[in-house]
Amino acid sequence: DGGITQSPKYLFRKEGQNVTLSCEQNLNHDAMYWYRQDPGQGLRLIYYSQIVNDFQKGDIAEGYSVSREKKESFPLTVTSAQKNPTAFYLCASSMQGYEANVLTFGAGSRLTVL
Amino acid sequence: SQQGEEDPQALSIQEGENATMNCSYKTSINNLQWYRQNSGRGLVHLILIRSNEREKHSGRLRVTLDTSKKSSSLLITASRAADTASYFCANVPAGYSTLTFGKGTMLLVSP
Repeated sequence: DGGITQSPKYLFRKEGQNVTLSCEQNLNHDAMYWYRQDPGQGLRLIYYSQIVNDFQKGDIAEGYSVSREKKESFPLTVTSAQKNPTAFYLCASSMQGYEANVLTFGAGSRLTVL
Repeated sequence: SQQGEEDPQALSIQEGENATMNCSYKTSINNLQWYRQNSGRGLVHLILIRSNEREKHSGRLRVTLDTSKKSSSLLITASRAADTASYFCANVPAGYSTLTFGKGTMLLVSP
C-alpha cells in the first residue's frame, strides 16, 4: 500500500537534546512538507521541499532543520534551539502539477519535552 | 494571518442530523480544500473545489464556494457517530506557494 510512514509515533526528549523525526513516502511524490500542530490550533508549516537536495523554510522554521537526500525521505530534526518543541508533528507529500497542493499526510509524531 | 477561519469552532449534533461548517479566507485562491482529522491522527483530504466552481458533491459531503464573499461551506448530511472529527479548510493564498490551514471545526456526533 502506498502511503507516508512517520516514526516514532511518540517521542520523549529531555531539554537540550536534539531529536530527529522520520518521514518516508512510497507515493513517488516530488514535494514533501513538515507541519506542526498545537492543541486546538491549525497546522503551521515548518519546512518544505519540492525536489531532492532543495528545501525552503516555512512560517516557523527557527529551531528546526531538515534534509532531502532522497526523494522518499524528508527527516526533521528538532534542535535544542527550539524553545517550545512539545507538539504534534505531521509530515505530508504531494504531486507536482495542477493540483499539486493536495496533500497526503502521515499519521503524525507526538513529541513531548520532559 | 493568511489562514482561513472556520466557524463554528465546535459543533455537537445527533446522529442523522446535518452538520454545516463554514470557512472564510482573505485573498484570491485557485482552489479550496477540506480535510478531516480524527483525534491524534493525520489529516485526510476530503474534497477540492476550484475557484470557478460553486458547488461540489462527494457522497454525503456537499461543498459550496462563494468567491465574492471569500467563503466556503462544508455540509455533511445524515451524520454518523463515525463522522466525529475535526474538519479543516485549506487554500494557497495569493503570493504563497504552500497550503495554509484554518484552526478547524471540531464536530461531535452523538449516537
